[in-house]
Amino acid sequence: SAVISQKPSRDICQRGTSLTIQCQVDSQVTMMFWYRQQPGQSLTLIATANQGSEATYESGFVIDKFPISRPNLTFSTLTVSNMSPEDSSIYLCSVGGGGETQYFGPGTRLLVL
Amino acid sequence: SQQGEEDPQALSIQEGENATMNCSYKTSINNLQWYRQNSGRGLVHLILIRSNEREKHSGRLRVTLDTSKKSSSLLITASRAADTASYFCATEYFNKFYFGSGTKLNVKP
Repeated sequence: SAVISQKPSRDICQRGTSLTIQCQVDSQVTMMFWYRQQPGQSLTLIATANQGSEATYESGFVIDKFPISRPNLTFSTLTVSNMSPEDSSIYLCSVGGGGETQYFGPGTRLLVL
Repeated sequence: SQQGEEDPQALSIQEGENATMNCSYKTSINNLQWYRQNSGRGLVHLILIRSNEREKHSGRLRVTLDTSKKSSSLLITASRAADTASYFCATEYFNKFYFGSGTKLNVKP
């Protein structure tokens, strides 16, 4: 199983600012994903982070708001740009897929004031 | 949306009773996975069941999959207070995972 860490674990930010969340995996993985979990809700897939190419975004999520980098097979970042209180959520990265177990990082709790 | 539905949304039982949660999804899938989440923390993987499997067991957990009805169920037997958590199903579709709405389980001691 993969061990995944995220930084920061939590943050409180002012509206209009941006936050970059880091996701580090202890082994090389092909598939990496970013999710959002709004308070009291289920997880919603934001995008697939592709190594060496642009991320693939789900409907309702755009690159200008959630730019993603994937410089190598063990690391990815998600930036939440121009934040508003509606962006207050838990953001999680995950790895896996292709018919195998999907593992999740511990999440980043974001509160936007 | 690819997201599925789970029912019940909330379930409250006494310790020692069995808990059953159901998940329905919309499209053909490669596999379905069940997760547990305690109080908004990280997700713990419970079981993966592939589309060609009908039932899987892991300890006190039993998962069934009915691809003709596009549904799955998670049974927790002899529940414990520590099983109190939210439970989610996630379906894999073209290498992406979509989560159900979740069931909040409360096991009273």
